[in-house]
Amino acid sequence: NAGVTQTPKFRILKIGQSMTLQCTQDMNHNYMYWYRQDPGMGLKLIYYSVGAGITDKGEVPNGYNVSRSTTEDFPLRLELAAPSQTSVYFCASYDGGADEKLFFGSGTQLSVL
Amino acid sequence: GDSVTQMEGPVTLSEEAFLTINCTYTATGYPSLFWYVQYPGEGLQLLLKATKADDKGSNKGFEATYRKETTSFHLEKGSVQVSDSAVYFCALSGPRGSSNTGKLIFGQGTTLQVKP
Repeated sequence: NAGVTQTPKFRILKIGQSMTLQCTQDMNHNYMYWYRQDPGMGLKLIYYSVGAGITDKGEVPNGYNVSRSTTEDFPLRLELAAPSQTSVYFCASYDGGADEKLFFGSGTQLSVL
Repeated sequence: GDSVTQMEGPVTLSEEAFLTINCTYTATGYPSLFWYVQYPGEGLQLLLKATKADDKGSNKGFEATYRKETTSFHLEKGSVQVSDSAVYFCALSGPRGSSNTGKLIFGQGTTLQVKP
């Protein structure tokens, strides 16, 4: 059981480049989330999805886009990378159950130079 | 808006010492409260949670009590081990069944280092 898998683990981008952070889960969870973690700060919600075909903005969505064509996959797209997007990105999933337990991937460390 | 504040780290303790990591929150209504732990190189894992006032969450020797009167959810452990070295995050979400369920608001994290 792989859980939540994120790729890549590390990436360096130049300003203005674009990239997609991949996230896939094998637990058949309806809810998926993208968070970013800046140094010394808590995680902030970028986008979330409550099921295939449904996405919505979180607290810090500017500069990002998402899609949810399948239950398993929830990619995060950066169109024009900026230094302010240097961060660690975490994907998470949740089955909507009473335990309210989110499962997190191991993160993608992104630097924009 | 809702927010979570944790004590500043890093916290350095000797093995078998008593641990307290303070967490206070600001929220409307009755949020669920969580502690997540992040071991080096890994994603966050749920450590414990509480969903209503006076509930005590516990796991792996860690405990935290939901105190509505002081809006706090402090993490405690009576005797820490080297293997407890990690980053600990306090978090809240909307009440179960609300539109904010699962959308966590995190504190900044507290790094714990336990020395032998």
